[in-house]
Amino acid sequence: DGGITQSPKYLFRKEGQNVTLSCEQNLNHDAMYWYRQDPGQGLRLIYYSQIVNDFQKGDIAEGYSVSREKKESFPLTVTSAQKNPTAFYLCASSPSLNTGELFFGEGSRLTVL
Amino acid sequence: AQTVTQSQPEMSVQEAETVTLSCTYDTSESDYYLFWYKQPPSRQMILVIRQEAYKQQNATENRFSVNFQKAAKSFSLKISDSQLGDAAMYFCAYRSTYSGNTPLVFGKGTRLSVIA
Repeated sequence: DGGITQSPKYLFRKEGQNVTLSCEQNLNHDAMYWYRQDPGQGLRLIYYSQIVNDFQKGDIAEGYSVSREKKESFPLTVTSAQKNPTAFYLCASSPSLNTGELFFGEGSRLTVL
Repeated sequence: AQTVTQSQPEMSVQEAETVTLSCTYDTSESDYYLFWYKQPPSRQMILVIRQEAYKQQNATENRFSVNFQKAAKSFSLKISDSQLGDAAMYFCAYRSTYSGNTPLVFGKGTRLSVIA
């Protein structure tokens, strides 16, 4: 089945540790996105990538990093510089013709202990 | 920059009744997309309905319809014959059409409860 796979679904980390969230898609979409969701805040854009080897910062990129070495993959690293990393993270993708909607993964819940 | 505002953090509706969720947005562009996404307790984002700004006709998907008022920059979602499965967070979102694969801009969401 075609779709977007995020892993892990739940992740715990200690303060000061970096952690990488995986996002893989087999929809052959060019663009991929990372959003952060907090209660009462909606979805806020962290980073996005329109093509391989290129990505742009979103509204809340500080403390995060990404790479886009393959079309199918867009991992997000939450670094120790991110002051409040506990959140729900959503990855999404869209096809190249900008036909409208984004397709979402099931999300990853990160908790910092 | 575009912004999306959902002024109702929470709403409730009786089963089988109709409810309308509000959304306003701010943009200087003339062509764009608007969306309503549903996020049930599973947290999977599900597209409910979409509207292209150049289309005057309001979009409809079964029990879901929108009232798109372009001049007023308003995009409300009407859910008819509400069902228990409609209980979820609902997000309104905006997408520009001007520069390739631009991200969606989301509102803060409305939590809908359905009362049996």
